[in-house]
Amino acid sequence: SAVISQKPSRDICQRGTSLTIQCQVDSQVTMMFWYRQQPGQSLTLIATANQGSEATYESGFVIDKFPISRPNLTFSTLTVSNMSPEDSSIYLCSVEVAGWGEKLFFGSGTQLSVL
Amino acid sequence: QKEVEQNSGPLSVPEGAIASLNCTYSDRGSQSFFWYRQYSGKSPELIMSIYSNGDKEDGRFTAQLNKASQYVSLLIRDSQPSDSATYLCAVRNAGNNRKLIWGLGTSLAVNP
Repeated sequence: SAVISQKPSRDICQRGTSLTIQCQVDSQVTMMFWYRQQPGQSLTLIATANQGSEATYESGFVIDKFPISRPNLTFSTLTVSNMSPEDSSIYLCSVEVAGWGEKLFFGSGTQLSVL
Repeated sequence: QKEVEQNSGPLSVPEGAIASLNCTYSDRGSQSFFWYRQYSGKSPELIMSIYSNGDKEDGRFTAQLNKASQYVSLLIRDSQPSDSATYLCAVRNAGNNRKLIWGLGTSLAVNP
């Protein structure tokens, strides 16, 4: 399987500030994704983090608001920029790992509250 | 709009009973189907995947797929209180983006 370290686990932030979430995987990763899960909602894909190139964003998400880096195969960051209370959510890193087919492994999540 | 629909529940069953969770999807081109379990405050974990029509059994869990009727279900036999969680259905289509489409999840409560 894969061990995914995601941090911070939670944070309380002020409106207008930015937070960077880190995701580190201990296995060879084929695909890496960032999801958001708002209260009472399903998982929403923000973007696919591409190694060495710009992330692929889903409809409704833009690079200026959610810049993503993936400098190597096993590490990625998601920044939530210029935060507003509407950004309060759980943010999840997930990966597909070589040898495990389409199985998605998830990090423990980041609980973000914006005041 | 490609959709995956689940009854939000809560579904309440007594300990030892069979819990039946259902999921319907709109995209006939869907090829891969997954059930994830999410405990409160935790991240999702995969419990079953199914790709062909019929039943697939893994321990107390059985996934059932009917592509003609566009539904996939999860049966949990001998339900235990530790099975109390939200069960998420996820469907992947065969298109270029191979994106997972997620249901809202069904909350299951197993009562001792």
